[in-house]
Amino acid sequence: QVQLVESGGGVVQPGRSLRLSCAASGFTFSSYALHWVRQAPGKGLEWVAVISYDGNNKYYADSVKGRFTISRDNSKNTVYLQMNSLTTEDAAVYSCARDTAARFDSWGQGTLVTVSS
Amino acid sequence: DIQMTQSPSSLSASVGDRVTITCQASQDISNYLNWYQQKPGKAPKLLIYDASYLEAGVPSRFSGSGSGTDFTFTISSLQPEDIATYYCQQYDNLSRVTFGPGTKVDIK
Repeated sequence: QVQLVESGGGVVQPGRSLRLSCAASGFTFSSYALHWVRQAPGKGLEWVAVISYDGNNKYYADSVKGRFTISRDNSKNTVYLQMNSLTTEDAAVYSCARDTAARFDSWGQGTLVTVSS
Repeated sequence: DIQMTQSPSSLSASVGDRVTITCQASQDISNYLNWYQQKPGKAPKLLIYDASYLEAGVPSRFSGSGSGTDFTFTISSLQPEDIATYYCQQYDNLSRVTFGPGTKVDIK
């Protein structure tokens, strides 16, 4: 079955960097766009970034543009989110989601990012 | 950017009640609207896609309608397991995806 497993979260100081990973299995990874979505504690869902199936197209929310970079390695069935210049506003559970015809039909459980000095 | 609003922000209803949530887009998004259910501590689950199509395996008490800027999500007969937060999500352009603020549903 489709499985998405995020990792790489943790506690980081403001201004530092973190790289998240999302390992996929159970489907043809290289055929799907993947998204990152985050959810701050007690808050709603916020879309972060998307990468096309081949990695050639990437888009970001305004709140992370210029600081976050999404990438993928289709040989490893993994999508990444490099997060730089982190602020307390970036603290959230970060989840990856598979895009099937513009709907998010599979989600990981997420990895928690805490930004604190 | 397209903004999404949802109402109400929360509601309390009895088992068996009909529950309706509305979602409004700040501009025409045709039928590019999905609905998700999120239970506490769990990942969101796709329920409705393209405004009115039921995702495979989702109970038929869930339905969606609308197009353009105004959309409705309905639970025809609320069940205890439907306690969750429901989000609409637009995708008129995959370079910009927006979620609504969510509607928390609980049992009266």
